[in-house]
Amino acid sequence: DTEVTQTPKHLVMGMTNKKSLKCEQHMGHRAMYWYKQKAKKPPELMFVYSYEKLSINESVPSRFSPECPNSSLLNLHLHALQPEDSALYLCASSLESGTPLGGYTFGSGTRLTVV
Amino acid sequence: GENVEQHPSTLSVQEGDSAVIKCTYSDSASNYFPWYKQELGKRPQLIIDIRSNVGEKKDQRIAVTLNKTAKHFSLHITETQPEDSAVYFCAASRAQKLVFGQGTRLTINP
Repeated sequence: DTEVTQTPKHLVMGMTNKKSLKCEQHMGHRAMYWYKQKAKKPPELMFVYSYEKLSINESVPSRFSPECPNSSLLNLHLHALQPEDSALYLCASSLESGTPLGGYTFGSGTRLTVV
Repeated sequence: GENVEQHPSTLSVQEGDSAVIKCTYSDSASNYFPWYKQELGKRPQLIIDIRSNVGEKKDQRIAVTLNKTAKHFSLHITETQPEDSAVYFCAASRAQKLVFGQGTRLTINP
């Protein structure tokens, strides 16, 4: 298995809803990442987990809450989002943090719309 | 922190011609430089990467060059084909952080 799998592929949620995005990989990668990508913009780093511990939080609002239950799973819990949070949320993984052998592998993303 | 600038923002070339996209980075400690291709609505896909201890790398029609002194790196695509049309992102990585350039929309005209 050489993929990063994200679910759901599409999500529409109201500003008072609570939802979760899920990411899974079975490549034995020990670093996992959440990125946010707005239309016609590059991906922007949100969170980095290394060996299941949060190591970087790029000052993301607390309405985004990451969770890494084990080395294969990464969740992003969403609560009280704003319309401007609508974007493509990408999960990625790498064999290790630092300068990763084999680079970063991206999932196909969850397209989130906040109404 | 790292800042990556990418040029041009749009590039249109005739099929069969070459395309060159250039990036500069600010953090001299960055040591890994991947290039991603992203088609509309799809994930970024790694097309080639280079590490700071290498000056050039080639994979069929795609090549990347790195000038550490000048802190710039370039993507070269030869014999372009219509399926090369996409948005291309350069990136620079130091430690656990991967920072992307703003992207280049490449259009291959038949």
